Amino acid sequence: AQSVTQPDIHITVSEGASLELRCNYSYGATPYLFWYVQSPGQGLQLLLKYFSGDTLVQGIKGFEAEFKRSQSSFNLRKPSVHWSDAAEYFCAVGPLSGNTPLVFGKGTRLSVIA
Amino acid sequence: DGGITQSPKYLFRKEGQNVTLSCEQNLNHDAMYWYRQDPGQGLRLIYYSQIVNDFQKGDIAEGYSVSREKKESFPLTVTSAQKNPTAFYLCASSPRDRGQETQYFGPGTRLLVL
Repeated sequence: AQSVTQPDIHITVSEGASLELRCNYSYGATPYLFWYVQSPGQGLQLLLKYFSGDTLVQGIKGFEAEFKRSQSSFNLRKPSVHWSDAAEYFCAVGPLSGNTPLVFGKGTRLSVIA
Repeated sequence: DGGITQSPKYLFRKEGQNVTLSCEQNLNHDAMYWYRQDPGQGLRLIYYSQIVNDFQKGDIAEGYSVSREKKESFPLTVTSAQKNPTAFYLCASSPRDRGQETQYFGPGTRLLVL
């Protein structure tokens, strides 16, 4: 069965520092991979997605992610974090076939300090 | 302005009461989903529907029911059989087209038990 692991429950970074959030997946075929961000009390917003092609994917808000098949990873990065990036981040994998639900990791909460 | 709307934003349930959460989308998406979110547990799938008049149970369907009579609407009923309904509920939808299977989320409904 497919699964997603986000090893870090909570990360704290200083404003202006670089960020990397880890995501590892287990999937039987070429996956579709997603990163979402959630601010407190809000829905999830899509940051970026990988379906095929270039393994380095650019997203909104200055985020990027790299698909590494050999490591079954899809880590999210940002070169310089802003205080407004404080939120919860979810990695997801899927679908097995058209419109089957995504499988989500448990999320990583990002705190940003001055 | 296309999107997914969920209402109400906050909902209160009394013991033994059924309550219905609304989810409407005007994105012309075929598939719709309901997730439950509890702190530290990520998103758990309750029900999903790939097409009108059809739906499938997710991982935690007990105590919940849904209907899909119209493409744009996928209401979720939390029944009295759901003993711990306090949570944040998220609705999502996705298009059917191959290579477009991205889930988009509504703003959520927070359900509280009185």
